[in-house]
Amino acid sequence: SAVISQKPSRDICQRGTSLTIQCQVDSQVTMMFWYRQQPGQSLTLIATANQGSEATYESGFVIDKFPISRPNLTFSTLTVSNMSPEDSSIYLCSVAAFRTSGKLGTDTQYFGPGTRLTVL
Amino acid sequence: QKEVEQNSGPLSVPEGAIASLNCTYSDRGSQSFFWYRQYSGKSPELIMSIYSNGDKEDGRFTAQLNKASQYVSLLIRDSQPSDSATYLCAVSLMDSSYKLIFGSGTRLLVRP
Repeated sequence: SAVISQKPSRDICQRGTSLTIQCQVDSQVTMMFWYRQQPGQSLTLIATANQGSEATYESGFVIDKFPISRPNLTFSTLTVSNMSPEDSSIYLCSVAAFRTSGKLGTDTQYFGPGTRLTVL
Repeated sequence: QKEVEQNSGPLSVPEGAIASLNCTYSDRGSQSFFWYRQYSGKSPELIMSIYSNGDKEDGRFTAQLNKASQYVSLLIRDSQPSDSATYLCAVSLMDSSYKLIFGSGTRLLVRP
């Protein structure tokens, strides 16, 4: 498995501001993902971040609100822009580690420790 | 709309008992199935993956997959209070992009 770190671990922000969350992996990975977990809810995929290409956003999430960078194979950032209290969530990055069988599939995702964001 | 369904619980079992957690999914073409454990305030931790029909055992954990019934389960033998957590079922999508769809999770309580 990969060792994943996220910064910051938590933050309290004011409405209308932006926060950039960093995700660092100890090995090169092709695919990184950003999830949101609202209080008491399960994980919702925000976007897939691939190195060298634009992030792919899921329905309900847009680049203007959640811009993502993926400058290399070990690092990604997610920015939560123009925040409102509804953005209060845990934000998680994950990386995919593939099996060697060559069989197409999602394969194993490992999660970072998360960033707990509170917007006042 | 691809879905993964889990009973939210809580599922309460006494220490030493077998806990049985269930999950159904809607994407018939799904190929990969995962169980994650999430303690309160922590991120999900992978505990089992299964790709073929049948059972897969790892220590006290057994994952069971039935693709015909679109059903995956997790059995925890000799449950311990430290197993008390939310268990998330995750399923890959056939159209891939390597995405996972997560169920809402089942909260397990193991009573000492």
